[in-house]
Amino acid sequence: QQKVQQSPESLIVPEGGMASLNCTFSDRNSQYFWWYRQHSGEGPKALMSIFSNGDKKEGRFTAHLNKASLHVSLHIKDSQPSDSALYFCAVSRGSNTNKVVFGTGTRLQVLP
Amino acid sequence: DMKVTQMPRYLIKRMGENVLLECGQDMSHETMYWYRQDPGLGLQLIYISYDVDSNSEGDIPKGYRVSRKKREHFSLILDSAKTNQTSVYFCASSPLAEQFFGPGTRLTVL
Repeated sequence: QQKVQQSPESLIVPEGGMASLNCTFSDRNSQYFWWYRQHSGEGPKALMSIFSNGDKKEGRFTAHLNKASLHVSLHIKDSQPSDSALYFCAVSRGSNTNKVVFGTGTRLQVLP
Repeated sequence: DMKVTQMPRYLIKRMGENVLLECGQDMSHETMYWYRQDPGLGLQLIYISYDVDSNSEGDIPKGYRVSRKKREHFSLILDSAKTNQTSVYFCASSPLAEQFFGPGTRLTVL
């Protein structure tokens, strides 16, 4: 069964700093990967997806995927206090886009 | 404006009582989900629905059942709630891959 682990559990960065979040998964057949962000008191919201090995950049956010090493990461450049939230990676079960497994989450705090 | 709604937002029940959590979406998405979120465990899939009356168990279905009689509405039912079902429950809908979540229902079972 797919296992998805995130590290670190929590992370504190100064405003303007770089935040790096990691996610490892166990199913080599996984093909689709997402990052979700959840602000306190709200439901998760999709931040970005990545489907191919390498980097994908969207504004201040860069996702990196290495399927061979079963690793996906999210890097947030120029972190803002509004980025403070719980971040989840979500990994597909094989090629099934309908069913994903969510990681345990990384809580990011950006200090002004 | 794409929206997933959940009712109620907060609920307190006693052990053994029945619980009904309701979810609606206005996007005509075929696929809908129920998750529970507990600290340190992330989001765990309870049930997935592929369309009206086409429901499938997720990873932790025990103690739960669902109903989907209209595409825009998906209910989660706890028959005889247990204290270990205290959690935050999220509903989501999806057009293909990305999931759109509701605001959640915080359920406390005493």
